[in-house]
Amino acid sequence: GAVVSQHPSRVICKSGTSVKIECRSLDFQATTMFWYRQFPKKSLMLMATSNEGSKATYEQGVEKDKFLINHASLTLSTLTVTSAHPEDSSFYICSARDSNSRNQPQHFGDGTRLSIL
Amino acid sequence: GNSVTQMEGPVTLSEEAFLTINCTYTATGYPSLFWYVQYPGEGLQLLLKATKADDKGSNKGFEATYRKETTSFHLEKGSVQVSDSAVYFCALFYNQGGKLIFGQGTELSVKP
Repeated sequence: GAVVSQHPSRVICKSGTSVKIECRSLDFQATTMFWYRQFPKKSLMLMATSNEGSKATYEQGVEKDKFLINHASLTLSTLTVTSAHPEDSSFYICSARDSNSRNQPQHFGDGTRLSIL
Repeated sequence: GNSVTQMEGPVTLSEEAFLTINCTYTATGYPSLFWYVQYPGEGLQLLLKATKADDKGSNKGFEATYRKETTSFHLEKGSVQVSDSAVYFCALFYNQGGKLIFGQGTELSVKP
């Protein structure tokens, strides 16, 4: 079945560091990918929709200069948390849309646990 | 706007108990409905889906029926196992735009 690989699975770094998270669709092409943020015991909050070859569409309240999204190819989208601070600590999950799939609208990565000290 | 509401968790059950997790939605038109499961420290996995009214989705002993008249998609399982402990998310989807709209999630804890 369709697989989405998200890397790294966990990162711990100092405040002020920029962190890049990769999301790859391994066996299908994804013109659209999504980035979510999940707080403990909370639901997924859609941050942005990543479109291959064009600018990402950010949800209301999400700082686009803080969370940089690049979708340069049909199989890779990256989320960069710039100058991360402790309040950015969270679980980030990506998903990829396989437009050829009639069974699943999105395939999810395993998430990245980001901890900012 | 479109939204999904799930019952509050956590839900704690003994092994082999009957499970119901309520899910209701507000939507225009005819969305597809999904249940996803998230095991600790992992991403989301599709559990089951229904694409039109009266469809029943089922997988791994779980089932849910798309009820347009009550705008509901309740998740049920006749006999839960400890391995079913996870967070369950109800979601609706419109093909146009491709976005999933999630409920707040319901944590299930099954005790031996």
